[in-house]
Amino acid sequence: AQSVTQLGSHVSVSEGALVLLRCNYSSSVPPYLFWYVQYPNQGLQLLLKYTSAATLVKGINGFEAEFKKSETSFHLTKPSAHMSDAAEYFCAVSDPAGGYQKVTFGIGTKLQVIP
Amino acid sequence: NAGVTQTPKFQVLKTGQSMTLQCAQDMNHNSMYWYRQDPGMGLRLIYYSASEGTTDKGEVPNGYNVSRLNKREFSLRLESAAPSQTSVYFCASAKGTDIANYGYTFGSGTRLTVV
Repeated sequence: AQSVTQLGSHVSVSEGALVLLRCNYSSSVPPYLFWYVQYPNQGLQLLLKYTSAATLVKGINGFEAEFKKSETSFHLTKPSAHMSDAAEYFCAVSDPAGGYQKVTFGIGTKLQVIP
Repeated sequence: NAGVTQTPKFQVLKTGQSMTLQCAQDMNHNSMYWYRQDPGMGLRLIYYSASEGTTDKGEVPNGYNVSRLNKREFSLRLESAAPSQTSVYFCASAKGTDIANYGYTFGSGTRLTVV
């Protein structure tokens, strides 16, 4: 069964500092992986996705993530945090066992950016 | 440019009451999904519809029913609401069932409280 684990339900960084949000996945075969962002009182928006092409994936708003099969990880990073990055971030997985029809989400990580 | 529209945005129900959450998309997407979001639990799939005329159970279907009325609309019904169904409900759609290629578009959510 597919699943993702997000380490840290709350992360605080200073404005301008590195953002690192951790995600580890569990899947019987190489899955597709996603990061979504949710701003207050809104639905989720896709930040980036990994679909077995390049292992370093660039997304919107300066975010990127690296797929590391040996570590079963897909951590999200941004070199310099901006106040507008404050939101909740969800890692998600979809694997072929489910026909890639379903996406399983992690519990989310709330990012606080301190001025 | 509406995307995915959910109604209502807020609802308070008494235990035992019934209601239907409505979802409509105007992007000609084939697949549609209902998720619930609870603190510390991320998003969990309730039901999904891979195409018009088909529906399947997700991770937490108990207490819910769905109808794929046509290609545009996918409704979620609570027959006898319980306090455990207090949650934020999100509808999502995707062009195809290959989530990796098409991704999800989310609605803005329905906040449901059952007292």
